[in-house]
Amino acid sequence: IQMTQSPSLLSASVGDRVTLSCKTGQNINNYLAWYQQKLGEAPKLLIYNANSLQAGIPSRFSGSGSGTDFTLTISSLQPEDVATYFCQQYNSWTTFGAGTKLELK
Amino acid sequence: EVQLVESGGGLVQPGRSLKLSCAASGFTFSNYYMAWVRQAPTKGLEWVASITNSGGSTYYRDSVKGRFTISRDNAKSTLYLQMDSLRSEDTATYYCTRVIRGTGYVMDAWGQGASVTVSS
Repeated sequence: IQMTQSPSLLSASVGDRVTLSCKTGQNINNYLAWYQQKLGEAPKLLIYNANSLQAGIPSRFSGSGSGTDFTLTISSLQPEDVATYFCQQYNSWTTFGAGTKLELK
Repeated sequence: EVQLVESGGGLVQPGRSLKLSCAASGFTFSNYYMAWVRQAPTKGLEWVASITNSGGSTYYRDSVKGRFTISRDNAKSTLYLQMDSLRSEDTATYYCTRVIRGTGYVMDAWGQGASVTVSS
């Protein structure tokens, strides 16, 4: 299943509301997860089933969407949120998007 | 605390073999599906293989089918990835991951990664 994340690079300021997009080539029935990967670290699960927040993840992170269009929102960007964010579909086997790199403006 | 610690990575020539291990702790290993995910240098994530909690079923991406073998020893809480006939395109950091029960592929715990370089 084709995964398209946009933008590939996003610059934002501390406190901004940030939205990252993930579009799939076909309906994935909300079987979508989001991961955060900081430089030099392993990925960390943020969201699964499109909108379920993983335990221990700050509530400023939220996921939404259905069918083929999904969004990860950070309600108030913090310096520690600088990272690359990947979406993953698991409706049919599994594939990851190419990622959105989030940096501070 | 859930911990996954990979070992066995390194530099290997094309066509040779390498075996990765992943020691798990902090949870009941035999209750969880496990998976290997890789990431080529400066690239995205790529699922490689999965194994059910009993080890009775295994799944592979097409590009490694017939060359890689995922296995586990529940008595030792250890996951393995035997990699044969390695190619340059297998060069990557390989992550051992735990799969959330009932999701098939959502990975809620990751190791620090093992670096594999295939080069002559």
